[in-house]
Amino acid sequence: NAGVTQTPKFQVLKTGQSMTLQCAQDMNHEYMSWYRQDPGMGLRLIHYSVGAGITDQGEVPNGYNVSRSTTEDFPLRLLSAAPSQTSVYFCASRRGRMNTEAFFGQGTRLTVV
Amino acid sequence: TQLLEQSPQFLSIQEGENLTVYCNSSSVFSSLQWYRQEPGEGPVLLVTVVTGGEVKKLKRLTFQFGDARKDSSLHITAAQPGDTGLYLCAGARPGSARQLTFGSGTQLTVLP
Repeated sequence: NAGVTQTPKFQVLKTGQSMTLQCAQDMNHEYMSWYRQDPGMGLRLIHYSVGAGITDQGEVPNGYNVSRSTTEDFPLRLLSAAPSQTSVYFCASRRGRMNTEAFFGQGTRLTVV
Repeated sequence: TQLLEQSPQFLSIQEGENLTVYCNSSSVFSSLQWYRQEPGEGPVLLVTVVTGGEVKKLKRLTFQFGDARKDSSLHITAAQPGDTGLYLCAGARPGSARQLTFGSGTQLTVLP
């Protein structure tokens, strides 16, 4: 019953460092997304993918890169971390049809100092 | 400005009281979903509504989708401490089913 697995759970970065947040799902879902959650802001979409090799920008894409080389994996890369990227990051997957349920990982709490 | 505005942002009530949470937009959505999130966890789906005017009941929770498909509400009857959590609405715009847009959230605390 793995579902959506995110690693790491916690991370502290220095300004300017880069890192990759990992996300893997074992449900063979077509759609995968990355969100960030900040107090009072709900979840904001960073990038999403509708299948292997296909990615697109969401609402707040600046400072982040993604790739989707396989159906299972959808890593999020921070190119040069900034304090404004301090947040909780969630990866989600869902079947590629209308009105389907989004399954979320447990989140990565990132602090940039 | 978020596409989906939720109100209230915070709600603290006593066990046994009723409450309603609102999710409003100026845009039409092909469907709306409600999720509940507990601390340290990702959101979990409660319900999906797809037809304007639709009402769905899940035990003490009643969900309604507005006739114009621009808004939704969640009503909880006789709230219990176990209902405490962050409630999020999420919508898919017509022609943009690939993107799921979330509201700002309502933090509900039910006191025993």
